Amino acid sequence: EDQVTQSPEALRLQEGESSSLNCSYTVSGLRGLFWYRQDPGKGPEFLFTLYSAGEEKEKERLKATLTKKESFLHITAPKPEDSATYLCAVRVLSGNTPLVFGKGTRLSVIA
Amino acid sequence: GAVVSQHPSRVICKSGTSVKIECRSLDFQATTMFWYRQFPKQSLMLMATSNEGSKATYEQGVEKDKFLINHASLTLSTLTVTSAHPEDSSFYICSARASTGGIYNEQFFGPGTRLTVL
Repeated sequence: EDQVTQSPEALRLQEGESSSLNCSYTVSGLRGLFWYRQDPGKGPEFLFTLYSAGEEKEKERLKATLTKKESFLHITAPKPEDSATYLCAVRVLSGNTPLVFGKGTRLSVIA
Repeated sequence: GAVVSQHPSRVICKSGTSVKIECRSLDFQATTMFWYRQFPKQSLMLMATSNEGSKATYEQGVEKDKFLINHASLTLSTLTVTSAHPEDSSFYICSARASTGGIYNEQFFGPGTRLTVL
């Protein structure tokens, strides 16, 4: 069974304190790993898609990396506005299969 | 680019009435759209996968006669909650997967619709 596990469930950081969120996956065939940010009462906002091990993508203070078993979302010098729930999802096989989501990491950045 | 809109953003209705939620991909075509439901502080729960021009595929436990999905074009899918009851109150989110162009295979989400059934 395809599974996505995110850790930690919740993370509290001081402003400027860099850290990483983890997304480990067990899938039959990876066709893409997705990171989203979700603010309360809003839909998920697309951040990155990674397709192959060794791939990295950056956007402002965020950097996503991918290995054959997991992905990391690195947050450098976070600010309070980075507080949100970060969701990881994988797409397996081909065709119109839906994404398999992890349960998310709730990030709080304290000023 | 890559914007998905939902309408309405909030709706309050009486028990027994039907509510229609629209999901549009504004600047890309989406052969496939997905409908999710989300309870407070929980992750997304997939309800159904909708393919343009064909019947939706519902997840186990989701009543197809209660949650009617229509995907009539490459940019529009609708979810109708029929004979709504208070337990249907939730946050409904649609998602569209780009079927062409530089964002092919990327999946984008709408802002969600908060449904409250009295």
